[in-house]
Amino acid sequence: KQEVTQIPAALSVPEGENLVLNCSFTDSAIYNLQWFRQDPGKGLTSLLLIQSSQREQTSGRLNASLDKSSGRSTLYIAASQPGDSATYLCAVSGTSYDKVIFGPGTSLSVIP
Amino acid sequence: GAVVSQHPSWVICKSGTSVKIECRSLDFQATTMFWYRQFPKQSLMLMATSNEGSKATYEQGVEKDKFLINHASLTLSTLTVTSAHPEDSSFYICSATAQADTQYFGPGTRLTVL
Repeated sequence: KQEVTQIPAALSVPEGENLVLNCSFTDSAIYNLQWFRQDPGKGLTSLLLIQSSQREQTSGRLNASLDKSSGRSTLYIAASQPGDSATYLCAVSGTSYDKVIFGPGTSLSVIP
Repeated sequence: GAVVSQHPSWVICKSGTSVKIECRSLDFQATTMFWYRQFPKQSLMLMATSNEGSKATYEQGVEKDKFLINHASLTLSTLTVTSAHPEDSSFYICSATAQADTQYFGPGTRLTVL
């Protein structure tokens, strides 16, 4: 049974810092891994999608890496801004039709 | 491309009433749609999987008679919360996938039952 964990559960950093969010999964047989952002009371915003054959994806100040063999992914946020404050969720799917298993999320607060 | 919409985005209803939430894939045909629920400060949990034209498959612990799911077409799935109670207040998110493709998520519907 796939389980997804995220560390840390909460993170507070001053503006401008580079930071890393961690995601671990127990079954390395994944189809893809996604990172989402969720603002309070809002829906999910997809940030980055990494297919199982890929090692990383980049979008602006965000970079996500994937190491299937070790069951880990990291989301790197460069030069953090107060607007980055949100909960970040990672999620994996076993096949294209499989349900997506979400991690518990990391609550990020960037202090001006 | 690959846009999924949900309607309504939020709804407030009285206890005992039924609420229908729609999930639409706007620019692709979704062979499979998923419904998730998220309680405050918790992660998303899958409720059910629905394939067009067939009965939904519910996850353990989800009451199929309470959460009615209909996937009548390749672009529309509906979730009806019957006889809603305050404990059903939650954030409901759907996702849709085309054949051999990634799941695309809707923006979510916030249900508040008074």
